[in-house]
Amino acid sequence: GENVEQHPSTLSVQEGDSAVIKCTYSDSASNYFPWYKQELGKRPQLIIDIRSNVGEKKDQRIAVTLNKTAKHFSLHITETQPEDSAVYFCAVPYGNKLVFGAGTILRVKS
Amino acid sequence: NAGVTQTPKFRILKIGQSMTLQCTQDMNHNYMYWYRQDPGMGLKLIYYSVGAGITDKGEVPNGYNVSRSTTEDFPLRLELAAPSQTSVYFCASSYARENSPLHFGNGTRLTVT
Repeated sequence: GENVEQHPSTLSVQEGDSAVIKCTYSDSASNYFPWYKQELGKRPQLIIDIRSNVGEKKDQRIAVTLNKTAKHFSLHITETQPEDSAVYFCAVPYGNKLVFGAGTILRVKS
Repeated sequence: NAGVTQTPKFRILKIGQSMTLQCTQDMNHNYMYWYRQDPGMGLKLIYYSVGAGITDKGEVPNGYNVSRSTTEDFPLRLELAAPSQTSVYFCASSYARENSPLHFGNGTRLTVT
């Protein structure tokens, strides 16, 4: 099936700590894995993505790691700041559809 | 570029009424999508299109219809609105299926009472 499981559903961290969100999928043919950030009342926006020919990609404080064998990928945010508080979604392509995970509410406490 | 434009921003419908949510993009994207997002929940795919004249069902198509007569426009039609269709509706587009980010519109907040 077109399964995308995302964990945890909520995550509270202290400012400056790291946050990790994991996404598991079921289709071994999928080869593009994006992460979106949605602030309250706003539209989702892409923050980072990775293709299956690489295992890790970094962009400043954000990184994504991919384990294709185990069919999971993770979002890593280091040195979290209050503005990182938002809902984060992973997504996986199944055929022509892009299926989203259920989302993770990240709260960064200052 | 305006990106993806959705109208209206807000709408209140009575049960049984119909309406069309408009979506247009000016990026010459082939792929267009309609998602709904219920309060505190994730994004569920309603319908999608891979090009003009081609549409297909997503995860939750019941109660909706779409058309794609041009590359730019992808309207979503609600027939016989029901309270279960109260949600925020996002239209999105992308250049390709993979390796290409989704560009979302600002959403339409629909309430059915």
